[in-house]
Amino acid sequence: SQTIHQWPATLVQPVGSPLSLECTVEGTSNPNLYWYRQAAGRGLQLLFYSVGIGQISSEVPQNLSASRPQDRQFILSSKKLLLSDSGFYLCAWSVAENNEQFFGPGTRLTVL
Amino acid sequence: GENVEQHPSTLSVQEGDSAVIKCTYSDSASNYFPWYKQELGKRPQLIIDIRSNVGEKKDQRIAVTLNKTAKHFSLHITETQPEDSAVYFCAALSPTGGFKTIFGAGTRLFVKA
Repeated sequence: SQTIHQWPATLVQPVGSPLSLECTVEGTSNPNLYWYRQAAGRGLQLLFYSVGIGQISSEVPQNLSASRPQDRQFILSSKKLLLSDSGFYLCAWSVAENNEQFFGPGTRLTVL
Repeated sequence: GENVEQHPSTLSVQEGDSAVIKCTYSDSASNYFPWYKQELGKRPQLIIDIRSNVGEKKDQRIAVTLNKTAKHFSLHITETQPEDSAVYFCAALSPTGGFKTIFGAGTRLFVKA
């Protein structure tokens, strides 16, 4: 069966520090991968999505970047965090464009 | 690109009553419409979805209807229970939009016992 992992589960970082969040998927090949951010009590904002290794589409201009170094690994990064980067970061995968997205457990990021 | 509007933002019902959440979308090419339920502090999970070739789909107490002409779709929950309390998100996916799913802002449903 397929599983999706995210780490860390929670993170508290100072403003201006770097960020690296990792997401890995098991049990499937060539998944579509997604990064979402959810501010407290708000909806899901799509940040990046990837249909293959090295293929990243950015949805919102920001100080975040994403990379997909391996088929089932998706990394969200920042060189310098802002206060507004705080939120719940969710990784998701799907096997085909028209299918259900499966979400990871999320990383709760607090920037102080 | 696709834009999804969701209403209401908050909905409170008595246990046993029905709840209806409505969404509209802008891209007429959208062909897949999932609904996700997110409990507090948890990840969103799919509860039902509908594709553009059908007008209605039902799964026990939940149903979704789609009106392609009007570009709106709705979630219906009957005989609500306290465990239905959660945030519900509608979404739309368009093949012309790079195959990305666009989510509504969410509806916080409270079911009072």
